[in-house]
Amino acid sequence: RKEVEQDPGPFNVPEGATVAFNCTYSNSASQSFFWYRQDCRKEPKLLMSVYSSGNEDGRFTAQLNRASQYISLLIRDSKLSDSATYLCVVRSGNTPLVFGKGTRLSVIA
Amino acid sequence: GAGVSQSPRYKVAKRGQDVALRCDPISGHVSLFWYQQALGQGPEFLTYFQNEAQLDKSGLPSDRFFAERPEGSVSTLKIQRTQQEDSAVYLCASSASRDRPEPEAFFGQGTRLTVV
Repeated sequence: RKEVEQDPGPFNVPEGATVAFNCTYSNSASQSFFWYRQDCRKEPKLLMSVYSSGNEDGRFTAQLNRASQYISLLIRDSKLSDSATYLCVVRSGNTPLVFGKGTRLSVIA
Repeated sequence: GAGVSQSPRYKVAKRGQDVALRCDPISGHVSLFWYQQALGQGPEFLTYFQNEAQLDKSGLPSDRFFAERPEGSVSTLKIQRTQQEDSAVYLCASSASRDRPEPEAFFGQGTRLTVV
C-alpha cells in the first residue's frame, strides 16, 4: 500500500464550481501535511500547509482529520488557472517529504 | 540565482551510457533532496543530504545510482549504465533547515532524462 493515496482524477469541472480532493496517509506518525500544485511539465510548488485546526487561503481550504488519517483540499469558485495536478504531501518528523501520485484538475470554460 | 537550478534541463542518453545531473540549491539551504518523477506519477524520493552528509539514500533504486554533495552546496546525481526504465524527470529540492517544523521545500525545474 502506498504511504499517501489520492484519487488520480481527472476532475473536470466548470468555471465557478466547487471541487474537493481527498487524500489518505498510512503512517500514523506523520506530523506535517501539505498540498503542492504542479503544472504540466513544471516543478511542484507549495500551495498550502495543512493544520489540525483547518486553514483557509482565499478560495482554498485545507482540512486534516488525524483520527481517520485523511487530508482534504476544497477549491471554491474554480478558475481556469486552477487547472493543474494537486499533490498531497506528508512528512514524519525530519524525514523527507512523501508525495501522493496527484489529482489532476481541469477547469473548463 | 534566486531559485533551485538544475542542469541540463533535458538529457537524451543511449542505453548503457553514464549521466550526471547537477543541482544548485538555494544559497544557504541546508537540506537537499532528489526525487524521481515518472510520467503520470508523483515524485518518488531518492536521497537526502543535510549539508555534505547523505543522511538517507533508501530511495535509490539500484547501485547504479549515486549522489554526492561534497561541499554542502551543489549536488550531483549520477546514473551509471542507464536503462530505459531510468527515463523520468529528476527533481531536486532544497529547504532551509531540517529542524524547522514545517520547512517549505523549493523545487528546481527538473532534468528530463530519456534513455533510448
